[in-house]
Parts: sequence; C-alpha cells; structure tokens
Amino acid sequence: TQLLEQSPQFLSIQEGENLTVYCNSSSVFSSLQWYRQEPGEGPVLLVTVVTGGEVKKLKRLTFQFGDARKDSSLHITAAQPGDTGLYLCAGISGNTPLVFGKGTRLSVIA
Amino acid sequence: EPEVTQTPSHQVTQMGQEVILRCVPISNHLYFYWYRQILGQKVEFLVSFYNNEISEKSEIFDDQFSVERPDGSNFTLKIRSTKLEDSAMYFCASNRLGQGRYFGPGTRLTVT
Repeated sequence: TQLLEQSPQFLSIQEGENLTVYCNSSSVFSSLQWYRQEPGEGPVLLVTVVTGGEVKKLKRLTFQFGDARKDSSLHITAAQPGDTGLYLCAGISGNTPLVFGKGTRLSVIA
Repeated sequence: EPEVTQTPSHQVTQMGQEVILRCVPISNHLYFYWYRQILGQKVEFLVSFYNNEISEKSEIFDDQFSVERPDGSNFTLKIRSTKLEDSAMYFCASNRLGQGRYFGPGTRLTVT
C-alpha cells in the first residue's frame, strides 16, 4: 500500500508570511498532484508534476517534485486569508489508482 | 469553465435502503471515478470507469456498490443496502488521459 504523509497536519500563520508544506512517501510516483479542498466541497486541482525535480509556479504558489519522485513540496509566498483551506497531495504510480494524503489544514489569519 | 456536477447535494437514507448518487462528468472526459471521504478522514478511491466498464476498484467497493453510465452524460453510483458506515461525502471525478482529476462538489450521504 502506498502512503503519502503530509506535514504539518495543521498550520496557522499570519497574513503575509511564507510557508512550506510537505508530501513524502517511500514509493516512487509517476506523477503527483496537489489539490485544495474547502469544507463541504470537492478537491480542486492546483497542479500536476511529472518530472523529477520539476518546479511549477501558480501565482504565489510554488510546487516542487523531488528528484527521486518520492516527495513534493508546496511553498506559498505572502500568504493571504484566501489561501485558507485543506491542501492535499495525491500520487499515481503505474496503474494504481490515485492515492491521497491526509492533507495539511492551513489557516491564514488577517 | 466546464465542471463536474453532482446530485443530490445531500441524501439522507435509512439503513438498508438503496441510494443512487448521480454525476455529470465534464463532457469531453473519458475517465470517471468515485471517491469517498468520511468526515475528518482522507479521500479514498472507490472505483474507476473507462470505456463503459470498471477499470479498477478498491476493497471498499464491494458487491453492495455498482456504477453505471446509463447514457452519454450521467455516471451513477448505486449502494444497494446502505450501512451506517457508508455515511460520507461521495465525490465524482473525471479527466482525460494524463490529466489531473476534476472533482465534483460531492454528495453528503447520511445513513440513519
């Protein structure tokens, strides 16, 4: 069973601060996706990373896929209250279904 | 922007009853999925569907569950005899090959 461990589980920061959340596994993934989920809603896809070492930017969000394709990070610059939510990473390996981590719940305080 | 839609948004049913959860995936997507999320827990894969048949299913997806694409637009999940532990948010998702999944807003199923 492939597991994705996300850390930290909870993060509360002030508006304007920077933060990084992590997604780690002992398994190699062919691709890894980051989603954001609001309470009572479905996950919303933010990005897919495929190549080891790949870095993708989405405005103030920077996603990195580890060289070995076992881990990923999400860095948010100058966090805003609108960034508040549950950030999920999910990985695909071969023909296995998409596996989700438990998520990092981010709270950005104005 | 196209989106996945799901109905109903909330379904309350008694234990032992059958429920059908409905989804309309994005029109040009070919791969369809059902996931569930028990309150406070992670999103869990149930089943994937491609070319009018199940391509993969998890241990959760036992004989009480079935999926169907009855026409060119709908994708349904049926639970034949609901149990208390089936209470969860059920998410439908769809994508094209190689893309991330696009999730619907979910159906909250409450089994009493």
